[in-house]
Amino acid sequence: GDSVTQTEGLVTLTEGLPVMLNCTYQTIYSNPFLFWYVQHLNESPRLLLKSFTDNKRTEHQGFHATLHKSSSSFHLQKSSAQLSDSALYYCALSDRASGTYQRFGTGTKLQVVP
Amino acid sequence: NAGVIQTPRHKVTGKGQEATLWCEPISGHSAVFWYRQTIVQGLEFLTYFRNQAPIDDSGMPKERFSAQMPNQSHSTLKIQSTQPQDSAVYLCASSLDSEENERLFFGHGTKLSVL
Repeated sequence: GDSVTQTEGLVTLTEGLPVMLNCTYQTIYSNPFLFWYVQHLNESPRLLLKSFTDNKRTEHQGFHATLHKSSSSFHLQKSSAQLSDSALYYCALSDRASGTYQRFGTGTKLQVVP
Repeated sequence: NAGVIQTPRHKVTGKGQEATLWCEPISGHSAVFWYRQTIVQGLEFLTYFRNQAPIDDSGMPKERFSAQMPNQSHSTLKIQSTQPQDSAVYLCASSLDSEENERLFFGHGTKLSVL
């Protein structure tokens, strides 16, 4: 079945360094929607960005991601981490052709330190 | 717009008791999802309704979990004979059910503690 893999459970970075959180996925069909949600402490998850277009960069609030269907990846990046970026980040997948909606990975906790 | 409303915010039950969790989706949203959130499993899909009809309950533990959506303004998740391993935050989310507008809006969750 369709699934999402986030290999890092915890990423600790020094403020100012670049961020890259990994997300790979598996789908039966080839037209998935990929999403990144962010959850700050004591808040509920909210959408950060999404994409369904192959090889097109999507940006929001300083973060960006590019869907690469050839490698089934949708990694989240930011050029310079800020303390306020510390949060839980979830990658999610929808593939309407297979009837899969909003399936999440296990999440990556990003900890930015001074 | 009050967002997705979940009640109660916290629920404590004894082992073997029943727990009912409530969710009011955003008005006009036709899709409602339930997730269980734990540190180990992350956001674990439980079930999904579209226009009140159950579409996918593949994530529901079949024996003790059930979900309903009797009308467009609320959904319930019921856990019978609760066990300590059911302790988690249960999140409800709603969405406009169209490809272009697909994004989830989450409630604040119900933290269930089974003693």
